Amino acid sequence: GAGVSQSPSNKVTEKGKDVELRCDPISGHTALYWYRQSLGQGLEFLIYFQGNSAPDKSGLPSDRFSAERTGGSVSTLTIQRTQQEDSAVYLCASSLEPNTEAFFGQGTRLTVV
Amino acid sequence: GNSVTQMEGPVTLSEEAFLTINCTYTATGYPSLFWYVQYPGEGLQLLLKATKADDKGSNKGFEATYRKETTSFHLEKGSVQVSDSAVYFCALSDLADSGYALNFGKGTSLLVTP
Repeated sequence: GAGVSQSPSNKVTEKGKDVELRCDPISGHTALYWYRQSLGQGLEFLIYFQGNSAPDKSGLPSDRFSAERTGGSVSTLTIQRTQQEDSAVYLCASSLEPNTEAFFGQGTRLTVV
Repeated sequence: GNSVTQMEGPVTLSEEAFLTINCTYTATGYPSLFWYVQYPGEGLQLLLKATKADDKGSNKGFEATYRKETTSFHLEKGSVQVSDSAVYFCALSDLADSGYALNFGKGTSLLVTP
């Protein structure tokens, strides 16, 4: 595709429900990143995929968060039993190779009510 | 671990004023340094980068020099325009610490008034 695509763009969910956020990276990009952007908090690193290597999950805030990347392309971030503090914009980015320019999607705005 | 610290905003400037946004970093290895910009209603995009000490990144009139001795990567522009109003993020990536995952500062909001 022309850029990184994220869906949905907005998601409102009830506390305790599970949500899945999708990211379609730019075709051919080997690196894929998930970040969380909260008001006044900057960008918080969540998880990083690089090729076929084991992902770097060091930023996931709790075991309610998980992510997978199928076939080295599409990635899904899953949040189980959502809490109000999970409300944020979730950003996905991809890059052709590590340490090169990262291209960001428009994000998914998650609101937990 | 690695970290990035940038000046608190918001920064408000008049058009044609000189801009400096300070950024300092802590890194265990030899990081690459980046400035990303987020214009209102748009996604983050790369503004400029530098991959080794003394490199200068530049784009759209913005410049930043990778200073290893002061662990800094300050963003500068000689004459800002209203269209530069955005949030600016300093970031680093360091294979030694995070396998090249980008580590961002909290962002600095810039408002340029006519």
